[in-house]
Amino acid sequence: AQSVTQLGSHVSVSEGALVLLRCNYSSSVPPYLFWYVQYPNQGLQLLLKYTSAATLVKGINGFEAEFKKSETSFHLTKPSAHMSDAAEYFCAVSQAGGYQKVTFGTGTKLQVIP
Amino acid sequence: DTGVSQDPRHKITKRGQNVTFRCDPISEHNRLYWYRQTLGQGPEFLTYFQNEAQLEKSRLLSDRFSAERPKGSFSTLEIQRTEQGDSAMYLCASSPSPGTGGINQPQHFGDGTRLSIL
Repeated sequence: AQSVTQLGSHVSVSEGALVLLRCNYSSSVPPYLFWYVQYPNQGLQLLLKYTSAATLVKGINGFEAEFKKSETSFHLTKPSAHMSDAAEYFCAVSQAGGYQKVTFGTGTKLQVIP
Repeated sequence: DTGVSQDPRHKITKRGQNVTFRCDPISEHNRLYWYRQTLGQGPEFLTYFQNEAQLEKSRLLSDRFSAERPKGSFSTLEIQRTEQGDSAMYLCASSPSPGTGGINQPQHFGDGTRLSIL
């Protein structure tokens, strides 16, 4: 069984401020973890992925996430928010091997205030 | 890489009608997935194909839903006798086979088909 919990359905930050979006996972086997971004009326775009290599993962658009097994967390961060970062962000988990069923969190809407 | 393409982007229909959506995956991807996303929720897995074989179906996929991928390329998702609760965004994703070391590759998503039931 696998699941993810995203803390905070809405997060507001000022432009230029740190972005921190929280994700905790549950998996009975070593997980693969992903962050996706979704803009209105569009599909999901992969930001970054963790597949058991380096625990600090760098993604596109200046985002990064750190896999912490002891905390079962995979929080997404960006040092300085841009207006264009306003979107909905989904954390997702799948299990290594198998056919790659992916379970998504409920999402966090990021608002960037000018 | 032309991306995953879904058609139509929007579909409005009356309750009780049948609808069919199409997904064209990235050409070299042999895995194809369908998800449903309702307002305020993350995508929920519906079904998965490896080439033309449908290998997994979620319990969300009632008998009114059927998906096919006849030649291992494009896929269709049909909903018969639509109900109000079917209103959602239907997302298609594709991925290649596992890479070196059996590592699963990330899924690439289309822009979805938004279904509205009147």
